[in-house]
Amino acid sequence: QVQLVESGGGVVQPGGSLRLSCAASGFTFSSYGMQWVRQAPGKGLEWVAFIRFDGSKEYYADSVKGRFTISRDNSKNSLYLQMNGLRAEDTAVYYCAKDFPLKDGYGWYHYFDCWGQGTLVTVSS
Amino acid sequence: EIVLTQSPGTLSLSPGERATLSCRASQSVSSSSLAWYQQKPGQAPRLLVYGASTRATGIPDRFSGSGSGTDFTLTISRLEPEDFAVYYCQQYGSPPTWTFGQGTKVEIK
Repeated sequence: QVQLVESGGGVVQPGGSLRLSCAASGFTFSSYGMQWVRQAPGKGLEWVAFIRFDGSKEYYADSVKGRFTISRDNSKNSLYLQMNGLRAEDTAVYYCAKDFPLKDGYGWYHYFDCWGQGTLVTVSS
Repeated sequence: EIVLTQSPGTLSLSPGERATLSCRASQSVSSSSLAWYQQKPGQAPRLLVYGASTRATGIPDRFSGSGSGTDFTLTISRLEPEDFAVYYCQQYGSPPTWTFGQGTKVEIK
């Protein structure tokens, strides 16, 4: 079955950097877009970044644009999130999620049909 | 930017009762772009409904989604003990962006 396992979380000082990884199995990784979604402690869900199946295009939430970079290595079935210039408000559990694309008469729509268990990032001095 | 507002913030109900959760968009959205997720404490979210009304694989038929335009609803016909959780609506927009509502907690009364 589909499995997504995040790693790389930890405690980092404000202004620091961290790289998250997500190891995927149970599906053809190179055929699907992938996402990062985060959840601050006790708060709701916030979409962070999306990368197309072939890595040709990336999209970011305004809150992380210019600081975070999403990437993937299809040969390793792995997704990454490079986080630079970390701030206290970036403290959250970070989930990777598999894209579930659907098409209707007007275009494509994307949902998140499988999620990892998340990795906690704490930005604190 | 589309804002999704969920109500109520908390719903206190007993097992067997019917739950009705609301998600209102700040402007009209395509029904195809609206989804619902369930999240239990300490767990990742799970996709329940997409396209406003289509249940995801393996989701029991006591869960149903409806709505159009700016008003969407998730209904749980008879609450089971495992249904007490937080529920989020989500909207997909273009260029690819995803917006979540703030969540509705369904708790045991």
